[in-house]
Amino acid sequence: GAVVSQHPSWVICKSGTSVKIECRSLDFQATTMFWYRQFPKQSLMLMATSNEGSKATYEQGVEKDKFLINHASLTLSTLTVTSAHPEDSSFYICSARLDTIYEQYFGPGTRLTVT
Amino acid sequence: DAKTTQPTSMDCAEGRAANLPCNHSTISGNEYVYWYRQIHSQGPQYIIHGLKNNETNEMASLIITEDRKSSTLILPHATLRDTAVYYCILLRSNYKLTFGKGTLLTVNP
Repeated sequence: GAVVSQHPSWVICKSGTSVKIECRSLDFQATTMFWYRQFPKQSLMLMATSNEGSKATYEQGVEKDKFLINHASLTLSTLTVTSAHPEDSSFYICSARLDTIYEQYFGPGTRLTVT
Repeated sequence: DAKTTQPTSMDCAEGRAANLPCNHSTISGNEYVYWYRQIHSQGPQYIIHGLKNNETNEMASLIITEDRKSSTLILPHATLRDTAVYYCILLRSNYKLTFGKGTLLTVNP
């Protein structure tokens, strides 16, 4: 149980284009989903928290107009990187949690490379 | 938020117990101690968590000192697949996880 998937697992895009990353909770309904970013040899940094049906809450320093998050259902959240630039190249990881538990379950991550 | 301190790296022989320490001297009464690990280029994996009492599951044991200022994660029989970065995190009711640098555990054959 508690499986979270991400799609795609890796993507290469050209500078200026937009990329959408999907995060799905496969066997449970996720009240809350989180998006993280991890640069090489660094730790995970929380970007935003999303609750189903409401606007995402972004961490300080994260541009909400650049990183669009939609949490339209209890099993799906999407992160769209708009007008991507090479500095947005990173490992993006989502996590999900049930309403009744504290722990988060993480997806396998999406490697984004912007050329 | 309260911070945790972990050694940067540790080595362990395959088949032996791996004991990973974590200091959290400024922990608040409502903060849980959570452990996650991240194998290279994968998403973090939940291991175990506790508040006051020691906990054990199929993966590991968590020993929390009586004053809650430190804890130890124990992998009873480490295997090569346990090589990963282990994160000790304090979790509050806002459910946000703040990842530090963690401990790189290398299990050697």
